[in-house]
Amino acid sequence: GDSVTQMEGPVTLSEEAFLTINCTYTATGYPSLFWYVQYPGEGLQLLLKATKADDKGSNKGFEATYRKETTSFHLEKGSVQVSDSAVYFCALSDPASGGSYIPTFGRGTSLIVHP
Amino acid sequence: EPEVTQTPSHQVTQMGQEVILRCVPISNHLYFYWYRQILGQKVEFLVSFYNNEISEKSEIFDDQFSVERPDGSNFTLKIRSTKLEDSAMYFCASSPDREETQYFGPGTRLLVL
Repeated sequence: GDSVTQMEGPVTLSEEAFLTINCTYTATGYPSLFWYVQYPGEGLQLLLKATKADDKGSNKGFEATYRKETTSFHLEKGSVQVSDSAVYFCALSDPASGGSYIPTFGRGTSLIVHP
Repeated sequence: EPEVTQTPSHQVTQMGQEVILRCVPISNHLYFYWYRQILGQKVEFLVSFYNNEISEKSEIFDDQFSVERPDGSNFTLKIRSTKLEDSAMYFCASSPDREETQYFGPGTRLLVL
């Protein structure tokens, strides 16, 4: 079945450092890919998404490019802030291949940004 | 901005007890969901609910679990006889339609002793 693997955390960075959180996926078809973020005490929020190969999703300075050849959707940000400290979840949904709109999530990666 | 709310934020219960987790979805949303995340593991889908019936469920959602929309605003998850392995964070979510973005609540952390 479909699955998502993301790097284990926590990822600890200093403010203004470059961020990469790796995510790879396994799917039978052509899934849509997502990054969700969970800030402390809050629910998961959709951060960005991409629906087809080579699409780039972006929001709040974060970017991720749908790479079909490497089945990856790595999250990047050029300069992180303390307020970016949160848990980041990679996810996919694959309704077009007989799957479902229900997202399949990774385990989440905790990001801690120090001043 | 409208948001999904969940109560309680934390619940501790004894093995074998029944628990009810409560959620208030966003008011004009039609689809409702429950997910859980056991500590250190993936967020797992449990069940989706539409038009007062279950529309999709996972293997995890066995006879121990049930969902209900008892009134126009609440959406509940009941675990009839809790087991130690039910200890997890439970997330509720809602969406305007099934292919649209799901909005998640902050979660209820359930600890079964």
